[in-house]
Amino acid sequence: QIQLVQSGPELKKPGESVKISCKASGYTFTDYAMHWVKQAPGKGLKWMGWINTYTGKPTYADDFKGRFVFSLEASASTANLQISNLKNEDTATYFCARSRSKLLPFFDYWGQGVMVTVSS
Amino acid sequence: DTVLTQSPALAVSPGERVTISCRASESVSTRMHWYQQKPGQQPKLLIYGASNLESGVPARFSGSGSGTDFTLTIDPVEANDTATYFCQQSWNDLTFGSGTKLEIK
Repeated sequence: QIQLVQSGPELKKPGESVKISCKASGYTFTDYAMHWVKQAPGKGLKWMGWINTYTGKPTYADDFKGRFVFSLEASASTANLQISNLKNEDTATYFCARSRSKLLPFFDYWGQGVMVTVSS
Repeated sequence: DTVLTQSPALAVSPGERVTISCRASESVSTRMHWYQQKPGQQPKLLIYGASNLESGVPARFSGSGSGTDFTLTIDPVEANDTATYFCQQSWNDLTFGSGTKLEIK
């Protein structure tokens, strides 16, 4: 069955970096784009951008340009999200989500989410 | 950005019909999708392309609309439907609505 399994929770200090992984199984990894979605505590969902799993090309939403990097370990069917120079407002749960269609992006499978807490 | 507006909360009794609305700040054609999120869980896809029921989702859920006004309908509502429901558009980049929290009385 199709699964996206993310890494475990993280506790970081402001200014540090974090790398979150999302391992896919049950399908051909390079056939579907991978997106990242942020959910701050008690808040809604915010789309961060996506990575083309075939070419490795990332695309970032405007609010996530600069400190955020999407990358792949395609041989391991894994997508990664790295956040540098962490700020308190980065405290959130981060989801990876598979997009079924390039032309009509919606998310049919989601990871379980990674809670990142930024606190001094 | 295309802003999606949802009413914040609804409360209904089991067996009733509930409609959850989502209004877009500009036309998104039928590129609207709906998700259900229960506390502590990841979102779950319910409806894609405004009206297409995702495989495995009960037929009690349905979606309609085009342009700027969209509706998710649950009929009949069950106790297990307590959750927050989000709309998401994919016409102009991707944005989510703020969510509608559904309480079953």
